[in-house]
Amino acid sequence: NAGVMQNPRHLVRRRGQEARLRCSPMKGHSHVYWYRQLPEEGLKFMVYLQKENIIDESGMPKERFSAEFPKEGPSILRIQQVVRGDSAAYFCASSPVLDEQFFGPGTRLTVL
Amino acid sequence: AQTVTQSQPEMSVQEAETVTLSCTYDTSESDYYLFWYKQPPSRQMILVIRQEAYKQQNATENRFSVNFQKAAKSFSLKISDSQLGDAAMYFCAYRSLRAGNMLTFGGGTRLMVKP
Repeated sequence: NAGVMQNPRHLVRRRGQEARLRCSPMKGHSHVYWYRQLPEEGLKFMVYLQKENIIDESGMPKERFSAEFPKEGPSILRIQQVVRGDSAAYFCASSPVLDEQFFGPGTRLTVL
Repeated sequence: AQTVTQSQPEMSVQEAETVTLSCTYDTSESDYYLFWYKQPPSRQMILVIRQEAYKQQNATENRFSVNFQKAAKSFSLKISDSQLGDAAMYFCAYRSLRAGNMLTFGGGTRLMVKP
């Protein structure tokens, strides 16, 4: 059973471009969470999704950020018009129902 | 809202010795989970140990154990017989049983292990 997959592992974007981060949960997991880790800080919750539904997006910035978890395919975290402050590691986790979360390896986003 | 505080930005331990990492949290809830995660240089988040608040017995996983003091809202991690591979960032995390399933993390403690 493969773990949580994230791609790309590293992503470089110039200011103003769009960043798309993908997360494939573990098989059988229908709950996905996105966290952001700024340098030298702990992880901060962004959004919690189930298939086709956003359950809680209280940690996500109101502008430029969006997330989806379609019926088919991976969960996508989308950042439009990136700025230098978006540079961070973005982690995805998945869980079966409300249970232990398993983390992916993260995507490190660098904005030039 | 819950908050998690790790007051030790860095800790150092001699190989084979014991070290304790501190964590305090703030919550008005009575039922919740607490976790310690390890983040080595690879940045992968690895679950070290978990504690259910309703359990009085402290959790133990091999060389890792916790001291859970519910009234004091304290959740420290003890690492016995420290090994070089234990060197990493350690994060304490809280999970509510009510408000979704998201984790609230502390700021982390960097553990260095001296040979």
